Amino acid sequence: NAGVMQNPRHLVRRRGQEARLRCSPMKGHSHVYWYRQLPEEGLKFMVYLQKENIIDESGMPKERFSAEFPKEGPSILRIQQVVRGDSAAYFCASSPRQGNLGETQYFGPGTRLLVL
Amino acid sequence: AQSVTQLDSQVPVFEEAPVELRCNYSSSVSVYLFWYVQYPNQGLQLLLKYLSGSTLVKGINGFEAEFNKSQTSFHLRKPSVHISDTAEYFCAVSPNDYKLSFGAGTTVTVRA
Repeated sequence: NAGVMQNPRHLVRRRGQEARLRCSPMKGHSHVYWYRQLPEEGLKFMVYLQKENIIDESGMPKERFSAEFPKEGPSILRIQQVVRGDSAAYFCASSPRQGNLGETQYFGPGTRLLVL
Repeated sequence: AQSVTQLDSQVPVFEEAPVELRCNYSSSVSVYLFWYVQYPNQGLQLLLKYLSGSTLVKGINGFEAEFNKSQTSFHLRKPSVHISDTAEYFCAVSPNDYKLSFGAGTTVTVRA
């Protein structure tokens, strides 16, 4: 059973460009979570999505960031007009969300974004 | 809001020696507690979690952790480490069952 897949693993963008990060959850998982890890800091929650729904986006910056999880295909985290402060590792996790307390999230290897 | 402090950024340890990784948290509400491990070029993998009940939690690969509510700590221990335990370890808390807040991580390097 393949784990959570993220691509690209490394992404370099110039200031002002757009970054698109993709996440394919584990087979059978319908819930996706995105986290960001800034240098020297721990992972911080950004957004929780279910198929075609945003459940909790309380950790998303108010501007330039958006996320989607369409009915078909991977979840996408999109960052418009990137700035140097967006340089970070972005991790995706998924879970089957069967309603169990403290259900385990399964993490992908992350996408390292570098903004020049 | 919740926050997590991992007190050691780097922990070198000899093979077969014990190791303890320290984690303290702050929260105004009850939380769930987790330890994850990340091996090079891989995603984070759950080692163990505390939801309720016994404060001593046993996880995979011989790791265990103890929840101490009065000290707001959740330290991770292993009595005898192997070279394969070389990795980065993350402590995390959550006020519900999905919004995790992580510490900055502790890099464990096991030497022969």
